[in-house]
Amino acid sequence: DAGVTQSPTHLIKTRGQQVTLRCSPKSGHDTVSWYQQALGQGPQFIFQYYEEEERQRGNFPDRFSGHQFPNYSSELNVNALLLGDSALYLCASSLKSRRGVYYEQYFGPGTRLTVT
Amino acid sequence: ILNVEQSPQSLHVQEGDSTNFTCSFPSSNFYALHWYRWETAKSPEALFVMTLNGDEKKKGRISATLNTKEGYSYLYIKGSQPEDSATYLCASLGHRGSTLGRLYFGRGTQLTVWP
Repeated sequence: DAGVTQSPTHLIKTRGQQVTLRCSPKSGHDTVSWYQQALGQGPQFIFQYYEEEERQRGNFPDRFSGHQFPNYSSELNVNALLLGDSALYLCASSLKSRRGVYYEQYFGPGTRLTVT
Repeated sequence: ILNVEQSPQSLHVQEGDSTNFTCSFPSSNFYALHWYRWETAKSPEALFVMTLNGDEKKKGRISATLNTKEGYSYLYIKGSQPEDSATYLCASLGHRGSTLGRLYFGRGTQLTVWP
């Protein structure tokens, strides 16, 4: 089991460009969440995908969008990049339970995005 | 928004020392608390999921306690080793409405263990 994988590992973009980050969840997981960790901060929730739909969204602008594919993998897209978007982007996968199991989330190693 | 605080921000100890750090969270509407261990350039590794007041969990030399009435959790490391050097994150799990399934993280405690 490869666990949660993310690509690319590092990325450098310039202001105004667009970027796509990718995530493959742990085998058997159906829910993917994305988090942003800026320097000196804890990870901040961006959004969560389940059944190919965005189910929850954090306090991030519409420039941040995502997608989940039928195989449960996910993409995070950021348009019109700003310097402040420089951060580590973490993907987490979990198995959604309708009965209230505690949503244990497994994380990937992250993608380091630098905007210049 | 669930405001989660961790202290101290960083900690430097000698090999063999025991150490502990704190995670504070809102006690109202509590559902679950997650602890993660995060080594540089690796994935955050889940340590514990804690749900019940008075819970105590143990994994090797690492243990954690939970007090949901007063809104805090302690993580203890007994006999610290250099390989324990990492950032330890705690996160409160939202379970209602717009918080459902979201983890609210503290800023972490960065532990360095010197040989």
